Formats: sequence, structure tokens, C-alpha cells
Amino acid sequence: QITLKESGPTLVKPTQTLTLTCTFSGFSLSTSGVGVGWIRQPPGKALEWLALIYWDDDKRYSPSLKSRLTITKDTSKNQVVLTMTNMDPVDTATYYCAHRSILHRDAFDIWGQGTMVTVSS
Amino acid sequence: DIQMTQSPSTLSASVGDRVTITCRASQSISSWLAWYQQKPGKAPKLLIYKASSLESGVPSRFSGSGSGTEFTLTISSLQPDDFATYYCQQSTAFGPGTKVDIK
Repeated sequence: QITLKESGPTLVKPTQTLTLTCTFSGFSLSTSGVGVGWIRQPPGKALEWLALIYWDDDKRYSPSLKSRLTITKDTSKNQVVLTMTNMDPVDTATYYCAHRSILHRDAFDIWGQGTMVTVSS
Repeated sequence: DIQMTQSPSTLSASVGDRVTITCRASQSISSWLAWYQQKPGKAPKLLIYKASSLESGVPSRFSGSGSGTEFTLTISSLQPDDFATYYCQQSTAFGPGTKVDIK
């Protein structure tokens, strides 16, 4: 059974760097075709794709946020970390991590519960 | 960057109705499109991947079609559990969503 869970601060100040961790179980990020992505959703708004890391350490970023995002993996800890620099109140959102398999191409078949991050001074 | 649009943005329907949601990509994405259902306070749920493949465990009243730049999600007979917001996704972008509510 695949599960993912996001963790990190619930409140960050403007200009700070956000670091979120996705801890997963039920799969290995060293298995060919597997990936873990990050998606966010501001309150009452649509989903926004942020970043994706693949089993071979290939990485994809949202073009509009690429300069602010870094995604890394620690295969031994079953974790994926997303950092976002220079946080702003508009970055207030629920942040999700999700699993991608080779069967589903770049769709996300299993999602974490999400973690709400508020940006405020 | 590929942009995704959806129509309508809101859809009012009754139980038993046939419902169709359209998603368009700004350039061809072949068949690399997914559909999700999201209910308030919950994570999205994958319904359809590769434009027309039904995710395991998803009721067969859901179907997807299309390729290139135009795609559709169809619910053949709307059920009470189907009132939700639906999103399409190509590899690195989601559509703006379609809310299906009770007529």
C-alpha cells in the first residue's frame, strides 16, 4: 500500500525559504519509472503543478516558479524535499506530494493528505 | 509553456444526467492527459489517465476521450457522490477546474 505524507512549517514569514518534506512508503524511488511530485492549491483556487523528481534524479519544474524551487530525493530515507525561496503571501496554499508510476505517465495516482502553509508576517 | 483550459467552469446538473466536461491544451499533448475529482478538504483523486484509461477502482460511468488538443470527461449517469470539482492535467499543468453542483 502506497502512502505519502507531507510535513513542514504551517507558518512562514515573507521572504523566508519554505522547506517541505514528503515521506512515503510502499514504493522505492529507485525503481524505474517512479516519480514524486509536488502540487499546491491556494484556498478556494485551482491546483498548481510545482515540481517532479524521477527515479533517475531527473527533475522538472514549473516554468513560472523554476527560479524559486528545488526538489531533491533521499532514497534511503524514502523522502522527497521541496524548497521554495522568497515566500510571499500569495504562496499561501495547501501543498501536496503525490506518486507517479510509469503506468500513469505523468499523472499522479496516489496523493498525500496535504499540508497547509500560511505566509504572513 | 502549455496552457490548459476547461469548460464550463461551473455545471449544474441533476442525478441521472449525462455530463460532459471539455479540456483544451494550447498545443498538442498527444494522449498525455489525466482527469481528477476533488471534493472540499480532500486531496484530488485520479479518475482517468492517458486520456481514456480508467484508473483502477473508478466506476465505469466515468470515461475520457480525445487526443491532440481537445479532450472530454463524460459521466454517463451522474450520481450523488459525483458532485465535486474536476481538473484535467497534462504533464506540468492543471486546468482551472470545473465545479459540478446540484441543479
